[in-house]
Amino acid sequence: GAGVSQSPSNKVTEKGKDVELRCDPISGHTALYWYRQSLGQGLEFLIYFQGNSAPDKSGLPSDRFSAERTGGSVSTLTIQRTQQEDSAVYLCASSLFPGQGDPREQFFGPGTRLTVL
Amino acid sequence: DAKTTQPTSMDCAEGRAANLPCNHSTISGNEYVYWYRQIHSQGPQYIIHGLKNNETNEMASLIITEDRKSSTLILPHATLRDTAVYYCIVRRPHGSSNTGKLIFGQGTTLQVKP
Repeated sequence: GAGVSQSPSNKVTEKGKDVELRCDPISGHTALYWYRQSLGQGLEFLIYFQGNSAPDKSGLPSDRFSAERTGGSVSTLTIQRTQQEDSAVYLCASSLFPGQGDPREQFFGPGTRLTVL
Repeated sequence: DAKTTQPTSMDCAEGRAANLPCNHSTISGNEYVYWYRQIHSQGPQYIIHGLKNNETNEMASLIITEDRKSSTLILPHATLRDTAVYYCIVRRPHGSSNTGKLIFGQGTTLQVKP
């Protein structure tokens, strides 16, 4: 079966431009997460979707970052007015709807490498 | 979620068992221990998880001490393809106060050598 897919795989943009990153989760997975990994840094959580709603946006670094999810499937992470410090690999993960006390594993996509010049 | 401590790096000879330790001394009773790994230029991959009992699957074994303050991931016969960063993560099960997000530390870079 298909795993989590992300597009584009690489994105080079100029400082100040807006970018959109896309995530296609595994079919039937209602939980979706965005993470990012900066050069030399660990993975950091950005936002969590449960269906189309985002009950946890605590990891978004600034109001230039936003995300949406439609139809309980595809998600788009948008970065407005990109800065050089936004350069990183942006990873998406999905899992089955976590029930109470149910420790579901997350499946990660290959990531989008964003370079801001 | 409880913080974990792992060695920065380890080497292992190909074909030998790789034993990766993790300390999680502040773990709570309902927190699980998860292991993920990230091979270069790929997204993280789930390996195994456990609560109290030792666990084994096709990839690895997880040994959790009786007091649950530490654990060891065992790759029984390491191959060159097991070279990766291994992350030990402790988190509560998903519930009304927890979204299930993963908090990654720096992990252990395992180098499997021929």
